[in-house]
Amino acid sequence: AQSVTQLGSHVSVSEGALVLLRCNYSSSVPPYLFWYVQYPNQGLQLLLKYTSAATLVKGINGFEAEFKKSETSFHLTKPSAHMSDAAEYFCAVTLSGGYNKLIFGAGTRLAVHP
Amino acid sequence: EAGVTQFPSHSVIEKGQTVTLRCDPISGHDNLYWYRRVMGKEIKFLLHFVKESKQDESGMPNNRFLAERTGGTYSTLKVQPAELEDSGVYFCASSQIGKGGLFMDNEQFFGPGTRLTVL
Repeated sequence: AQSVTQLGSHVSVSEGALVLLRCNYSSSVPPYLFWYVQYPNQGLQLLLKYTSAATLVKGINGFEAEFKKSETSFHLTKPSAHMSDAAEYFCAVTLSGGYNKLIFGAGTRLAVHP
Repeated sequence: EAGVTQFPSHSVIEKGQTVTLRCDPISGHDNLYWYRRVMGKEIKFLLHFVKESKQDESGMPNNRFLAERTGGTYSTLKVQPAELEDSGVYFCASSQIGKGGLFMDNEQFFGPGTRLTVL
């Protein structure tokens, strides 16, 4: 069975600091991996996805994530946080070649302070 | 292009009542998904339509939940009768069918969700 673990339900960083949101997955077959972001009062928006091409994936708003099979990780990073990055972030996995049902982690709420 | 819309945005009902949630997917998207997030927990899959057919309903919690997608357009999710543990945010998402009929990595576009509170 597939599962996703996001370490840290709340992360707080200073504006301009590195953002690191952790995601580990378990999957018996090669996974597709996703990061979604939810801003207040909005739906989930796709930040980036890994679908077995390049292991370093660049997304929108300066975010990127690296797929590390040996560590079963897909951590999300951004070199310099902006106030506008404050939101909740979700890591998700699905089976490659499957019916695209997403399995989500519990989410990490990112706070950015001046 | 309009995104996925959901109605209502909020619903507060008494235990035992019935509530119907509606989702309008992006035009042309044959895949439609329902997910739910109970307070403080992860977002969980409920079911998946391909056009009007239920492809996967393995996440439906019990028979108090009934989902329909008449004509393969909008979908409704009815909870009857509602219980306290049904409270949460219900998300709808849609995506296109991929090339060759494969679903693969087609992005799912999410609606803003319906916040359901059962008192």
